[in-house]
Amino acid sequence: QVQLQESGPGLVKPSETLSLTCTVSGASLSNWYWSWIRQPAGKGLECIGRIYPSGVTNYNPSLQSRVTLSVDTSKNQFSLKLSSVTAADTAVYYCARGSLAPDYWGQGTLVTVSS
Amino acid sequence: DVVMTQSPLSLPVTLGQPASISCRSSQSLVYSDGNTYLNWFQQRPGQSPRRLIYKVSNRDSGVPDRFSGSGSGTDFTLKISRVEADDVGVYYCMQGTHWPLTFGGGTRVEIK
Repeated sequence: QVQLQESGPGLVKPSETLSLTCTVSGASLSNWYWSWIRQPAGKGLECIGRIYPSGVTNYNPSLQSRVTLSVDTSKNQFSLKLSSVTAADTAVYYCARGSLAPDYWGQGTLVTVSS
Repeated sequence: DVVMTQSPLSLPVTLGQPASISCRSSQSLVYSDGNTYLNWFQQRPGQSPRRLIYKVSNRDSGVPDRFSGSGSGTDFTLKISRVEADDVGVYYCMQGTHWPLTFGGGTRVEIK
């Protein structure tokens, strides 16, 4: 079955860059958009961006200046970089398959921004 | 951005009774391919969101038929015909028609 697993540091200092990777098993990256979505504690869900295996990306305009998505099809992984983080970026970060109607989600990883 | 407005914020329900959640979008959700990408997710405490319904009314595999989705254009509804204890959690509507994807604020379903 399709599984997604986020990985990366759980603690990032303010002004530094948050880096996460999503490893996909049970499915090829081909023919799907792959998304990043985040959820601050006790709050709702916010779309960060999406990437197609060809490298085509779309970013949420609210984060566009700080976000970079990339994909490594040889490892069946895609990645998120968010620069110049602040406490407001503290959240659970999810990766998901699809964009119009994301069906499979990772378990999420908590990233805390603190010195 | 398309604003998704859910109501109610909180929904206390007696076991075995029906429940209904409303979701309204600030723009039509009909996509260029003719489909309407309005989806419903359930998030149980401590878990990631789980898709229940896609494209307004299509139930995902393994989702009980107690759950149903309906609506069109800008007005959508998720119904649970008979609430069970396992249904406790927060429910979100989400539109995938317009970029960026946006979610409703969530409706917390709890047992009375």
